[in-house]
Amino acid sequence: DVKVTQSSRYLVKRTGEKVFLECVQDMDHENMFWYRQDPGLGLRLIYFSYDVKMKEKGDIPEGYSVSREKKERFSLILESASTNQTSMYLCASSFSLGRYTFGSGTRLTVV
Amino acid sequence: DQQVKQNSPSLSVQEGRISILNCDYTNSMFDYFLWYKKYPAEGPTFLISISSIKDKNEDGRFTVFLNKSAKHLSLHIVPSQPGDSAVYFCAAKGGGTSYGKLTFGQGTILTVHP
Repeated sequence: DVKVTQSSRYLVKRTGEKVFLECVQDMDHENMFWYRQDPGLGLRLIYFSYDVKMKEKGDIPEGYSVSREKKERFSLILESASTNQTSMYLCASSFSLGRYTFGSGTRLTVV
Repeated sequence: DQQVKQNSPSLSVQEGRISILNCDYTNSMFDYFLWYKKYPAEGPTFLISISSIKDKNEDGRFTVFLNKSAKHLSLHIVPSQPGDSAVYFCAAKGGGTSYGKLTFGQGTILTVHP
């Protein structure tokens, strides 16, 4: 069964910490995406990657960075976590013209 | 600027009746539209899609309608079942070199009462 796996379901971090969210896909997809979901705002794109070592900013990249050293792995980094980054984070992957497959999400709370 | 909008935050429907979820978009470059369904504590799952060259696509109880002139699409669920209770997201993909990037709406919470 093909899947996108996010390393943590729930995380609690302190303000100012550096936070790493990991995502791995086993479908050999070129494209990988990081979204955050907030009530009333839907899913907003943070960063995406269309190839190894390639990355593009999404709609809300401020405070985040990403890393894609291998095709199957896409990491989201919160350089210095803040309370307004408390959210549900969703990773997805796809072929260029295909539909997304999402991971189960990481619920991050910054205190 | 919100390019994909779902103006109804929630919808409540009786089991067996029709559920109609609506979505509006502003970008005429969008060429492919999708609906995703999300349960709490799970990632969204693909439900149904439609290309901009079509005006209707059907899959079992789910039908998506596209009105390009109005930049409007809708998802019909007939008959609605309690297991359909979830958040529904409309999404759109632009043409050209968008790398398959999807723009999502805010979501509509559907509650189907037994």
